[in-house]
Amino acid sequence: EDQVTQSPEALRLQEGESSSLNCSYTVSGLRGLFWYRQDPGKGPEFLFTLYSAGEEKEKERLKATLTKKESFLHITAPKPEDSATYLCAVQGGGGGSNYKLTFGKGTLLTVNP
Amino acid sequence: NAGVTQTPKFQVLKTGQSMTLQCAQDMNHEYMSWYRQDPGMGLRLIHYSVGAGITDQGEVPNGYNVSRSTTEDFPLRLLSAAPSQTSVYFCASSYSALGQPQHFGDGTRLSIL
Repeated sequence: EDQVTQSPEALRLQEGESSSLNCSYTVSGLRGLFWYRQDPGKGPEFLFTLYSAGEEKEKERLKATLTKKESFLHITAPKPEDSATYLCAVQGGGGGSNYKLTFGKGTLLTVNP
Repeated sequence: NAGVTQTPKFQVLKTGQSMTLQCAQDMNHEYMSWYRQDPGMGLRLIHYSVGAGITDQGEVPNGYNVSRSTTEDFPLRLLSAAPSQTSVYFCASSYSALGQPQHFGDGTRLSIL
């Protein structure tokens, strides 16, 4: 069964203080690892897809990286508007996966001005 | 493009009542799915569809019914509401079932009394 563990559960940063969020996963045949951002009262907003170890994607202050066991979401010089819950999900290709995304419980990021 | 549209945004039901949560997408996506999000549980797959006329069960299907008569619409039916179905429900769609990011609506917040 696919599993995703995100750490830390919550992270509080000062504006401009760079840090990383971790997503550890076990999956049979990775089809894709996905990062989402979720604001209160909203649905998850897609950020990145990573498909193979060594791959990296960047968007503004965010950079996602992937190894065979974990993914990191690096946040460089964050701003208060980066405050949100960040979700990691994997899609496996193993039998009985039902094409589903298996989500972690998320990291609640708060960036103070 | 509106993306994924869910209605209603909020609903309160009494135990035993039935209702339908609506989901529509205007991106011509083949794959659509329903998730529920509960505190401390992460997002869990209820039902999914890989195309019009094709549906299947996800991780937590009991008490829910779906159909997919058109590419655009994927309604979720609660047959006889129970307090355990109090949750936030998200509909998502993607271009194909495998390896593609799923795009989410903003959810329906459902309370069962």
